[in-house]
Amino acid sequence: KAGVTQTPRYLIKTRGQQVTLSCSPISGHRSVSWYQQTPGQGLQFLFEYFSETQRNKGNFPGRFSGRQFSNSRSEMNVSTLELGDSALYLCASSFREGYNEQFFGPGTRLTVL
Amino acid sequence: DAKTTQPTSMDCAEGRAANLPCNHSTISGNEYVYWYRQIHSQGPQYIIHGLKNNETNEMASLIITEDRKSSTLILPHATLRDTAVYYCIVRVGEGGGNKLTFGTGTQLKVEL
Repeated sequence: KAGVTQTPRYLIKTRGQQVTLSCSPISGHRSVSWYQQTPGQGLQFLFEYFSETQRNKGNFPGRFSGRQFSNSRSEMNVSTLELGDSALYLCASSFREGYNEQFFGPGTRLTVL
Repeated sequence: DAKTTQPTSMDCAEGRAANLPCNHSTISGNEYVYWYRQIHSQGPQYIIHGLKNNETNEMASLIITEDRKSSTLILPHATLRDTAVYYCIVRVGEGGGNKLTFGTGTQLKVEL
């Protein structure tokens, strides 16, 4: 069974631009969560989707948004990029809400110049 | 979710058991203890979880104290590939959503 895939793996943007990251969960998984990892703040929860509905949201500004499609694939968007948005963005999928085991993808490394 | 406290770093000789402690003194009765690890530049990997009984799987054992205020993750025969940051997380189990609140974790270094 294929794992969680994230595209692109690396991305370089400039301040003020916007970016869209994609996550394809493991086949059959309906829950997708997103995390941001930076050296200063560590791993922080962004949001969680299940059956195309956002179930939970972390403490991030409105510039960070996401969505989930009917095939469970998910995208997250960051508008008006800031230097501090440079981070590893990780996606995790699980069979359903509240399931014990979550499977993480390799992440997308975003650099904002 | 309850807060956890872990040592910043630990060393272990290859082939020996690695015992990683975690303190979660404010854990609630319906909260589980989960362990994930993150090998450098990869996404976190689920290891094991438990409520109050000790648990064992092919990767590790989880020992939870009777008062549930602390736990220990045991890697019985550590290898160099077990070098990673280990995160102890407390959260409500099934039905409680998927949000994981990561702390700073323990950097485990396995050496020859």
